[in-house]
Amino acid sequence: AQSVAQPEDQVNVAEGNPLTVKCTYSVSGNPYLFWYVQYPNRGLQFLLKYITGDNLVKGSYGFEAEFNKSQTSFHLKKPSALVSDSALYFCAPAGFQKLVFGTGTRLLVSP
Amino acid sequence: KAGVTQTPRYLIKTRGQQVTLSCSPISGHRSVSWYQQTPGQGLQFLFEYFSETQRNKGNFPGRFSGRQFSNSRSEMNVSTLELGDSALYLCASRLARTGWTDTQYFGPGTRLTVL
Repeated sequence: AQSVAQPEDQVNVAEGNPLTVKCTYSVSGNPYLFWYVQYPNRGLQFLLKYITGDNLVKGSYGFEAEFNKSQTSFHLKKPSALVSDSALYFCAPAGFQKLVFGTGTRLLVSP
Repeated sequence: KAGVTQTPRYLIKTRGQQVTLSCSPISGHRSVSWYQQTPGQGLQFLFEYFSETQRNKGNFPGRFSGRQFSNSRSEMNVSTLELGDSALYLCASRLARTGWTDTQYFGPGTRLTVL
């Protein structure tokens, strides 16, 4: 069965600093991995996905994620955080006929 | 292209009532999935519809049901509402050409409050 773990409930970072939001997964077969972001009282917005190919995936708003098969990780990164990046981030591997969402990591970027 | 739309955006009901939520997918998308989001349980999968057929179902009681129409629009129904049904209900659509390489796009959600 597919599963996902986001070990940090909250990540705090100062504006301008690099950020990392961690995600580890367990899937059978080829992993299809997604990151979504949710702003208050909004739905989920797609950031990026890994299907195959280059292990470094670039997405929206300057975010990128690194797929590491040996560590079964798919960490979300951004070189320079913005206050407007403060939101709830979800990692989601594709399971059998559905996305399996992590518990989410709240990112707080301070000015 | 218009995104996924959900109506209504907010809903207040009392225990025992029933409710119907509506979702219009992105044009051309054939798969519609529903999720329940609560602070305690996070995002939980309810069910997925594809070509008017339920393809997959999460672990929810039979009070939760859905359907999909020939134009891919979908409705979700919750009967005999309980306080614990208060949540943000999210609809998502995707092309569903093959497997899960397609991206799932979410609507803004319907906030259901049960009093």
